[in-house]
Amino acid sequence: LAKTTQPPSMEAYEGQEVNVSCSHTNIATSEYIYWYRQVPHQGPQFIIQGYKDYVVNEVASLFISADRKLSTLSLPWVSLRDAAVYYCIVTDIGPNYNVLYFGSGTKLTVEP
Amino acid sequence: NSKVIQTPRYLVKGQGQKAKMRCIPEKGHPVVFWYQQNKNNEFKFLINFQNQEVLQQIDMTEKRFSAECPSNSPCSLEIQSSEAGDSALYLCASSLSTGREQYFGPGTRLTVL
Repeated sequence: LAKTTQPPSMEAYEGQEVNVSCSHTNIATSEYIYWYRQVPHQGPQFIIQGYKDYVVNEVASLFISADRKLSTLSLPWVSLRDAAVYYCIVTDIGPNYNVLYFGSGTKLTVEP
Repeated sequence: NSKVIQTPRYLVKGQGQKAKMRCIPEKGHPVVFWYQQNKNNEFKFLINFQNQEVLQQIDMTEKRFSAECPSNSPCSLEIQSSEAGDSALYLCASSLSTGREQYFGPGTRLTVL
């Protein structure tokens, strides 16, 4: 499974766009990229997933570099509710059954 | 928002006691995962099921931990003889299939005294 590297922390003000990067230099062709976030006292929450190029949903957008070694989660107009630990996870849906191996994540602090 | 239900939310046990926690996956989700998140926020996969069948489980689960997902009943994770190191947040997640995103419950926080 590809290991991921994220910045340990980031800070932003409400209303800003936040881009969280994730490096996965050893990603395999069978692996997908998932982003989850977790706030205290709750389980992780799925944000977005992708395989290549650009994915967008109502919560975030995900840009994946052409060689798939780097992905960037973009959160438009962050609010205090977006303060969380963001996890970038690379996993495959084949023999691994899509088990999520969480790293240490990026702790996003949002200031008013 | 996730509709995975986990009970109890908090569980306190003495060392050597059994600890059992339950999970009701989202309706229509046949795949269930159990994870452990320790006090350092490190996650560990424990076991997963598709319907009632075990797909994968780690060695730790095979020894003191037992889990099941019976038909028409909540899934459960039980620690036969709790140890202090088992104190953690136990998270249940469900998914439509092994290739889809997982939806997590709020977890059961186990404290072993």
